[in-house]
Amino acid sequence: DAKTTQPPSMDCAEGRAANLPCNHSTISGNEYVYWYRQIHSQGPQYIIHGLKNNETNEMASLIITEDRKSSTLILPHATLRDTAVYYCIVRVATGANSKLTFGKGITLSVRP
Amino acid sequence: DARVTQTPRHKVTEMGQEVTMRCQPILGHNTVFWYRQTMMQGLELLAYFRNRAPLDDSGMPKDRFSAEMPDATLATLKIQPSEPRDSAVYFCASGESWSYTEAFFGQGTRLTVV
Repeated sequence: DAKTTQPPSMDCAEGRAANLPCNHSTISGNEYVYWYRQIHSQGPQYIIHGLKNNETNEMASLIITEDRKSSTLILPHATLRDTAVYYCIVRVATGANSKLTFGKGITLSVRP
Repeated sequence: DARVTQTPRHKVTEMGQEVTMRCQPILGHNTVFWYRQTMMQGLELLAYFRNRAPLDDSGMPKDRFSAEMPDATLATLKIQPSEPRDSAVYFCASGESWSYTEAFFGQGTRLTVV
C-alpha cells in the first residue's frame, strides 16, 4: 500500500470548516483513498473513501486532486465531538493485498 | 444495530500467563483484522483473515501470538506466554471483501500485563 503523509496536528474553531490535508504521491491506479477517525478510547471509525471523483456523505467531503497525489477531507461545520485523530489511508479495495494499514494520522482539535 | 463485539473489554494478567481475546465480527462479514495500539507504535496490523483463512499475519510475533477463526462468528487472538511489552489495546475489525466498503471496529480489549 502507498504511504501517506499528514501534518501531525491542526485545530479549528467550532462551527467552521476543517480541511485536513493528505499527501499520497505514490498512489497506484487501483488504490482508493480512505479516511478513518479515532475518538479517544474508541475504535477507529470509517468516514469516507474515494478513487478519483470527489465524494460527499453525511459526515464529510473528500476532495481528490486530478493527479490523485493528494486529497483533503472537509468537515463542513466542525463540532467539539469531531476532536479526534484522523487517518488517511490508501489501499486496494479487494484482494489479498487489501489490508488496512494506519499511519500516525493528524490530530484535529476543535476549539469552542 | 450491527457491531463488532470484543471480549473482554479489560484484562489484567501476570507475566507468563496465557491471554485469549475474542471477537465476534458482524454477521455476514468475511474479513477480519486484528490490530494492536500503543502510544509508541500507534495502530499496528497484526493479522488479517478472509473467509476464516489467514491472509497476512506478518505483523504478529509468531513465537507467542496466534490468531484463529474457529468459525465464522468467532475470531481469537492468543498470547502465550504474555509479557509486559504486550500491554496495549487490541482492536478487532470486520468487513466485506467483495465490495469497497469500510471496516467496522470493535471497542477494543485493553490488556495490561504486570
